[in-house]
Amino acid sequence: DVKVTQSSRYLVKRTGEKVFLECVQDMDHENMFWYRQDPGLGLRLIYFSYDVKMKEKGDIPEGYSVSREKKERFSLILESASTNQTSMYLCASSPARGRIQETQYFGPGTRLLVL
Amino acid sequence: AQKITQTQPGMFVQEKEAVTLDCTYDTSDPSYGLFWYKQPSSGEMIFLIYQGSYDQQNATEGRYSLNFQKARKSANLVISASQLGDSAMYFCAMRTIGNEKLTFGTGTRLTIIP
Repeated sequence: DVKVTQSSRYLVKRTGEKVFLECVQDMDHENMFWYRQDPGLGLRLIYFSYDVKMKEKGDIPEGYSVSREKKERFSLILESASTNQTSMYLCASSPARGRIQETQYFGPGTRLLVL
Repeated sequence: AQKITQTQPGMFVQEKEAVTLDCTYDTSDPSYGLFWYKQPSSGEMIFLIYQGSYDQQNATEGRYSLNFQKARKSANLVISASQLGDSAMYFCAMRTIGNEKLTFGTGTRLTIIP
């Protein structure tokens, strides 16, 4: 069974704090993704990594950075959290150059509240 | 660029009835795949069903089927004999060949009424 885990299910932070969201997958997948989910907007891609130390901006990278030092771990960093970053954050992974029908595998999500 | 449109923000359906969730898509790529996911209130995204652009038949998985109309660029999810446990958010998504990324729609919140 593919397993994608996220470090926290719920997180409450103050404006201006540095926030780390961690994601770990155990299927040796090359690709890892960070999305944020907001009502009425669906899932929007923040960053994508296709290999260790490699990253690519998604649709909404502003205010975020990422780190991928090991293949199984992909971190999302909010350098200075703001209230408009209150959201649900979902991590996903998939094999590189997989078959087109290969789904992404999602973690349980982190609900972040920035006060 | 790809785009997914889900025009139904919310739906209420009586238990045991069939329900159709709408999804239209836009891409210029002839080779693509369409996915449906279910997200219960707990938050995890559950993969339900896949349809490839070259598949001759509509995909089916248990009570889920996909009404794929390529000329109309629609890929509607049909849930037969709905159950209370089907209450959730449902997302349509697309991937084109050679692209590792998925493009998601805005989702439909389905509520099954006893």
